[in-house]
Amino acid sequence: NAGVMQNPRHLVRRRGQEARLRCSPMKGHSHVYWYRQLPEEGLKFMVYLQKENIIDESGMPKERFSAEFPKEGPSILRIQQVVRGDSAAYFCASSPIRLKNTEAFFGQGTRLTVV
Amino acid sequence: AQKVTQAQTEISVVEKEDVTLDCVYETRDTTYYLFWYKQPPSGELVFLIRRNSFDEQNEISGRYSWNFQKSTSSFNFTITASQVVDSAVYFCALSVRGQGAQKLVFGQGTRLTINP
Repeated sequence: NAGVMQNPRHLVRRRGQEARLRCSPMKGHSHVYWYRQLPEEGLKFMVYLQKENIIDESGMPKERFSAEFPKEGPSILRIQQVVRGDSAAYFCASSPIRLKNTEAFFGQGTRLTVV
Repeated sequence: AQKVTQAQTEISVVEKEDVTLDCVYETRDTTYYLFWYKQPPSGELVFLIRRNSFDEQNEISGRYSWNFQKSTSSFNFTITASQVVDSAVYFCALSVRGQGAQKLVFGQGTRLTINP
């Protein structure tokens, strides 16, 4: 009964490169949430997806960031042309239904370092 | 506005002491959920508890207890007889209604250090 799986755990990118972060939700979960944790800060909501649909992207920067959750395969958070300020821990969470009645199960996070 | 405030940035105590982590929240919703998560040095987020706004009963789980007071919008977390393994950053969170979704609003976290 695997939990939420994120990979890679650590990712180093040079400024201007692309970063692709993957999240496989728990089995049976069709709701995925991405959060960003800047150093010494709490987590900030970025985007909420269901299979093939973006439901709420109000926390996502308008440029360079995109997310998808295809019918088959993991959810992907993509950051184009990374800058030093993108260095953070990115957490994915999944839930079986809308979060209202259950807790979200978090992955171990991907720590992105931009050099 | 939806907001969670953890006023204590860092707490340091000696092992076996009791320690309380404060959490104050703001929301316009009448139905909401409150959470506590633990983030140990390894970095993952460990779920500790979920409480809905209609249930003001305090909860105890081993050395952990939670005090939910709707009148003061607080959801405080107490560790009794603390241990070194309790050292971590603890986050309080509130689930709010987003655009057709519920998402979590986190506090800034309290870094708890238990010294031997």
